[in-house]
Amino acid sequence: NAGVMQNPRHLVRRRGQEARLRCSPMKGHSHVYWYRQLPEEGLKFMVYLQKENIIDESGMPKERFSAEFPKEGPSILRIQQVVRGDSAAYFCASSPNRRSNTEAFFGQGTRLTVV
Amino acid sequence: ELKVEQNPLFLSMQEGKNYTIYCNYSTTSDRLYWYRQDPGKSLESLFVLLSNGAVKQEGRLMASLDTKARLSTLHITAAVHDLSATYFCAVYFQGGSEKLVFGKGTKLTVNP
Repeated sequence: NAGVMQNPRHLVRRRGQEARLRCSPMKGHSHVYWYRQLPEEGLKFMVYLQKENIIDESGMPKERFSAEFPKEGPSILRIQQVVRGDSAAYFCASSPNRRSNTEAFFGQGTRLTVV
Repeated sequence: ELKVEQNPLFLSMQEGKNYTIYCNYSTTSDRLYWYRQDPGKSLESLFVLLSNGAVKQEGRLMASLDTKARLSTLHITAAVHDLSATYFCAVYFQGGSEKLVFGKGTKLTVNP
């Protein structure tokens, strides 16, 4: 049973380009969470999605950031017109259901560097 | 808004010594997690604490939860170099949505 898969592991973008980060949850998991970690800091919640639904996007910046979790395929975190301040590690976590008492399983993360 | 505070943020200790990391949180929650992160790596789940008085132990690490005091501790016994890492507590928050709110982390360095 593969864990949460994120790709790419490392992504370099020039300022103004778009970044697309992918997250495939664990098999059987229908809930996906995205978190951002700035250097030397903890993880900050960005968005919580179920298949085809955004449940909570209170942690998403108002502009340039969007997320989706389609019926088929991975969840995508999209950052348009990236700026240097977007450089961070982006982690995805999945869980099987809303009231699961098990931990959320984290992927390996995508380290975005904006140059 | 749920706030999670860890202390200390930096901890340098000698091998063989004991120490405790504290995690305070501001709102009622029924779940608390401890994670370990090595530099450039993802988070490794250490413990999930689900009830008041819960205590879990794995090797040299022991975690406890006091939901009334809104406090969790991670106790390190007879530290070894391999425990050097950053440790995060994360509190499950259910207000309006569901998410984990993380502390800033405790960077532990164990010196020989």
